[in-house]
This record gives sequence, structure tokens and C-alpha cells, in this order.
Amino acid sequence: AQSVTQPDIHITVSEGASLELRCNYSYGATPYLFWYVQSPGQGLQLLLKYFSGDTLVQGIKGFEAEFKRSQSSFNLRKPSVHWSDAAEYFCAVQGSARQLTFGSGTQLTVLP
Amino acid sequence: EPEVTQTPSHQVTQMGQEVILRCVPISNHLYFYWYRQILGQKVEFLVSFYNNEISEKSEIFDDQFSVERPDGSNFTLKIRSTKLEDSAMYFCARAGGPNQPQHFGDGTRLSIL
Repeated sequence: AQSVTQPDIHITVSEGASLELRCNYSYGATPYLFWYVQSPGQGLQLLLKYFSGDTLVQGIKGFEAEFKRSQSSFNLRKPSVHWSDAAEYFCAVQGSARQLTFGSGTQLTVLP
Repeated sequence: EPEVTQTPSHQVTQMGQEVILRCVPISNHLYFYWYRQILGQKVEFLVSFYNNEISEKSEIFDDQFSVERPDGSNFTLKIRSTKLEDSAMYFCARAGGPNQPQHFGDGTRLSIL
């Protein structure tokens, strides 16, 4: 069975600083990987996805993620964080039955 | 604007009562999913639904749960006899194909008293 680990429960960065959120997955085959963002009281918004091909994928809101098979990682990055990026971020892997398995999430706080 | 509309946004129900949560996809997709998120915990898969049939379900999705698409549009999740531990956010998602990204609604907060 697949699993996702997000080692950082909470990250705090200053506005304008760079950001990297970590995600490690466990899956037997080539994974389909996703990052979602959840603002308070809102649903899950898809930031980006990796299915195949280029291991560096671009998403919305200036986010990108890099798939590293050798490290079983799919870390999310942003060069310059904005205050509106404060939210909870979830990494997910899609299994063979197409259900998503989510990590526990990383809460991002942005300081002014 | 979410690509899936969920109603109600908040449902408060007495333990033992039946609840029906509704999901209306904006576009005509065939793949639907229900997930739940208990406060402070991970988002968990409940069930996937394709071509008017359940295609996969998790251990959570026991006999108390059922899904259907009664009118070809609304996609519903029914909990027959709610328990306190059913209190959670319930998210509906839809996808354009079996390996397409899933897009989520804003969720229904279910509170069992």
C-alpha cells in the first residue's frame, strides 16, 4: 500500500523568503504525485501534479515541485513567499485504484 | 470557484440519524470520489464511483455508508445511522478520467451531537 510522509508539521517563513516543503512517498510503481493547498474553511485546491516526463513540474501561484525517484521525494518549492500563501499544504500519491493517499499536511505561517 | 459544489456546507445531526451529503459537479465528469478529514487528522479516502458503480472503497466505508448518483447529476453520500466519530469534513472530488487530477469541493462539515 502507498503512503506519504510530510516530516514538517509546521513551517514559518518571512514574506519574500524562499520555501521548501518536504514530501516522501512509498509506492511500488511509478507514482502519480500531487500537491494540494487548503486555506481555512476551504476545500483542497490542486497546486501541481506529476505524472511522467520532466521531473520538475510547474504549478499555479508560482509553485514548483521536483520528483526525485532515488530519494522517493516530491518537494514543493517557491522562490518568494507571499502572505497569501499561508495555508496547509498536502502532498498526495495516487494508487493503482486511483484513490489519493495524503500526507498529514504542513501548516505554513508567513511572517510580515 | 470550486469545480464541485457541495451541500450543505454544514450539517448538524443527532447521533443515530441518517444524513445525506450532496455533490454537484459543474462539468460532466464520470469519476467521483468521497474523502473525509477528521479534525486534526489526514484526509482519508472513502470511496470511488465510476459509471454508476462503486469502483473502490476503503475500510472506513462500511455498511453504514452508501453512495449513489440518483439523477445523473447529483452524487450523494449517505450515512445511515451516524455515530459521534463520523464528525468530520467530507470532501467530494471529481476527475475527467481515471488518471486525471481530482478536483475537490469546499466540503461539508458534519457535526454529530
